[in-house]
Amino acid sequence: DVKVTQSSRYLVKRTGEKVFLECVQDMDHENMFWYRQDPGLGLRLIYFSYDVKMKEKGDIPEGYSVSREKKERFSLILESASTNQTSMYLCASSLAGTRTGYTFGSGTRLTVV
Amino acid sequence: AQRVTQPEKLLSVFKGAPVELKCNYSYSGSPELFWYVQYSRQRLQLLLRHISRESIKGFTADLNKGETSFHLKKPFAQEEDSAMYYCASNAGNMLTFGGGTRLMVKP
Repeated sequence: DVKVTQSSRYLVKRTGEKVFLECVQDMDHENMFWYRQDPGLGLRLIYFSYDVKMKEKGDIPEGYSVSREKKERFSLILESASTNQTSMYLCASSLAGTRTGYTFGSGTRLTVV
Repeated sequence: AQRVTQPEKLLSVFKGAPVELKCNYSYSGSPELFWYVQYSRQRLQLLLRHISRESIKGFTADLNKGETSFHLKKPFAQEEDSAMYYCASNAGNMLTFGGGTRLMVKP
């Protein structure tokens, strides 16, 4: 069974902390994505990567960075967490091209207090 | 930039009633279109894609290029269809999602 695994289901962090959200896929997919999901706003793309060590900004990259040192792992980093980053974060992966659609992880609900 | 619009944030119907979730896209070319569904406490998953022209769980969606729409339809809604539905469009190598529609099917 195809899997995208996000390391934490729930996280609570303090304002100003550096936060790491980890995502691992076991499908040898080239593409990986980070979205945040907020009610009424849908899914908004933060960053994506087409290959190892490659990253591209999405629609809302401010306050975030990413790392992709290995093909199967894509990390989202909040350099200094703020309360407006409280959200559900979804990781996804896909083969090159999107005819097969994306496979999503189960999400990490981050609360910044 | 491409844009996907789902005009209804919430759609409430009774069991057995027909349901239509609206989706409009803005792209002058030939996009690939998808519907994703998220049931309560489950991960987002692909429901159907227009290139397959398939019916999944009784749902169908037809691409109307003239109206730039990809509405999701089911003739008889079931309670287990209650979920969040997202329309998505691809005009390159990544998907753009709409804001989502929450479908509630009442008994």
